[in-house]
Amino acid sequence: GENVEQHPSTLSVQEGDSAVIKCTYSDSASNYFPWYKQELGKRPQLIIDIRSNVGEKKDQRIAVTLNKTAKHFSLHITETQPEDSAVYFCAAGLSGNTPLVFGKGTRLSVIA
Amino acid sequence: NAGVTQTPKFQVLKTGQSMTLQCAQDMNHNSMYWYRQDPGMGLRLIYYSASEGTTDKGEVPNGYNVSRLNKREFSLRLESAAPSQTSVYFCASSATENTGELFFGEGSRLTVL
Repeated sequence: GENVEQHPSTLSVQEGDSAVIKCTYSDSASNYFPWYKQELGKRPQLIIDIRSNVGEKKDQRIAVTLNKTAKHFSLHITETQPEDSAVYFCAAGLSGNTPLVFGKGTRLSVIA
Repeated sequence: NAGVTQTPKFQVLKTGQSMTLQCAQDMNHNSMYWYRQDPGMGLRLIYYSASEGTTDKGEVPNGYNVSRLNKREFSLRLESAAPSQTSVYFCASSATENTGELFFGEGSRLTVL
């Protein structure tokens, strides 16, 4: 089955700097790659996703890149703000088949 | 629009006791899921229901049972709770299986003594 590795497990950045979180997946058939943000004590919420027919997707300060050949995808947050502090989860899966498999999460701290 | 509602939010059990976590969604979603979240372990799938009338095991199903009562409701039962089942449990739903956004409930924090 699918296996998703996520790095780093913790990340501290200065406010205004960029943050990058990387994930690798094992099943080359996977074609859907979402990212979820979980603030302290809250539920995970989708912030961005990408499908395998696209190499990059942006939404304001966040972007996701996908390299299907290398089987890895990354989350990029630019101009970080204190409200970006949270745990971020990547996930991978195959549409219409088995459910998503999540990475173990990255705790991002943005230091003002 | 409530989204995904799960109860209870907090529960303390003694080893060997049983309990059921309830989950309901009002978005007319076909697929529903139960995850557990432990520190450093991410979100691990316990059971899921791709559509009404079907249920399947996820990554960590041992010690749990589920019931898809109807399209709206998906319950998780612990028949004989163990300390290893101390965790935060999240119910989630999606319009179709694995093709779109997962909507999570607020979570249920379970402690087994």
